[in-house]
Amino acid sequence: GENVEQHPSTLSVQEGDSAVIKCTYSDSASNYFPWYKQELGKRPQLIIDIRSNVGEKKDQRIAVTLNKTAKHFSLHITETQPEDSAVYFCAAVSVNDYKLSFGAGTTVTVRA
Amino acid sequence: GAVVSQHPSWVICKSGTSVKIECRSLDFQATTMFWYRQFPKQSLMLMATSNEGSKATYEQGVEKDKFLINHASLTLSTLTVTSAHPEDSSFYICSARDWQNMYNEQFFGPGTRLTVL
Repeated sequence: GENVEQHPSTLSVQEGDSAVIKCTYSDSASNYFPWYKQELGKRPQLIIDIRSNVGEKKDQRIAVTLNKTAKHFSLHITETQPEDSAVYFCAAVSVNDYKLSFGAGTTVTVRA
Repeated sequence: GAVVSQHPSWVICKSGTSVKIECRSLDFQATTMFWYRQFPKQSLMLMATSNEGSKATYEQGVEKDKFLINHASLTLSTLTVTSAHPEDSSFYICSARDWQNMYNEQFFGPGTRLTVL
């Protein structure tokens, strides 16, 4: 099955700085890579996603890159704000069974 | 669009009782729904895949006789935790996949907080 690894587990940044979270996956059949933001006690919220036929995608302050050859993908948040503080999960979905495999999560704290 | 609801949002029960959690897709049809469990400060772990009109498929280590899943219609899947024990206390989240959506996006319910005393 798919194995998704995520680093770092915690990340503290000064407001206005950038935050980068990196993930790797193992299953070459994975073709969809969503990123979720989860606040305490709430459902995961999709913030951006990327498909295997695209190398980079940007949405305002958030960007994601994908390297299929190396099987890794990254989330970049620029100009961080206190409301960006949350737990972020990367995930990978296999074209074979549509199952979401999550990374372990990164707790991001933005210091004012 | 793409709204998924879950009921109840939280439940407290006594050890040994059974609890049913409902997951509904409100504005789309979901041939496949997924059930996840999330312990505090951990990631979401897939428990099972619920397929409309057929038996659910369970992930390794998940007891199918303890976590009963029924997906009787294209908009409803239920998870019943049978003979619940304190170690079953967790946050249970469902997700649904729109069969008409060519992409793989899943839409999550708000989750159910289960506490077993």
